[in-house]
Amino acid sequence: DVKVTQSSRYLVKRTGEKVFLECVQDMDHENMFWYRQDPGLGLRLIYFSYDVKMKEKGDIPEGYSVSREKKERFSLILESASTNQTSMYLCASRNRGLYGYTFGSGTRLTVV
Amino acid sequence: QQQVKQSPQSLIVQKGGIPIINCAYENTAFDYFPWYQQFPGKGPALLIAIRPDVSEKKEGRFTISFNKSAKQFSLHIMDSQPGDSATYFCAATPNSGGSNYKLTFGKGTLLTVNP
Repeated sequence: DVKVTQSSRYLVKRTGEKVFLECVQDMDHENMFWYRQDPGLGLRLIYFSYDVKMKEKGDIPEGYSVSREKKERFSLILESASTNQTSMYLCASRNRGLYGYTFGSGTRLTVV
Repeated sequence: QQQVKQSPQSLIVQKGGIPIINCAYENTAFDYFPWYQQFPGKGPALLIAIRPDVSEKKEGRFTISFNKSAKQFSLHIMDSQPGDSATYFCAATPNSGGSNYKLTFGKGTLLTVNP
C-alpha cells in the first residue's frame, strides 16, 4: 500500500523559531505538494515540486520555503515561525501522468 | 481568487438520507474533477473522480453528476450512513498538456449523518 509519511503529528514551536516539516513518500512519485488546512478556508497550496531540486510557489508561499534534495523527501521550512502559521499542514504526492494525490495524515503545528 | 466554489459549508442528514454537495468552477481548462473524503485526524483520501466527457459516474453509494455547460458538479451519497460523516472536498485540475498541473480545492463540506 502506498504511503506518505509526515514525521510529526503534533508540533509546538515558539515565535521566531525555524521549523522543519518533513514528508517522505515510498511510491517513487515525481510530484510532491505542501498544503495548509484551516477551518473555512479549505486546502491551500503552499509549494509544490515536480521533480528533484525543482520547486514552484503555490497560492500562499509567503513565510515558507521548501527543499527537495531526494525524490522521496519534501521538506517545508518556516524560516521564522509566526502565530498566523498555526495550522494543519498536509503533504501529498502524485505520480507523473496520473491525477490522484495521496495525502499524509498531516502535522498540526501550533506556534506560541 | 477562489476557482472552485463549494457549498454548503456544513450539512446534517439522517441515516438513509441523500446528502448533496455542490461545486462550481470558472476555469474552462479544468478537465478532471475529483472528490476527497477526510475523516478527523486523517489526510484527505480520493473518493471518486470524473472527466467532463461523461455526465455521471457512480461508485457504490457515491455518485458524481457533472454539468459542463453550467460548469457545475455535485456529489450525491445514497443511503447515507453515520460512517459517512466526514469532510468532503471537491477539486479540479486542468490538462496543461504537461504533467505539472496541480489540484485546486473547494473549501470543504462537513457532513454529519445522524443515526
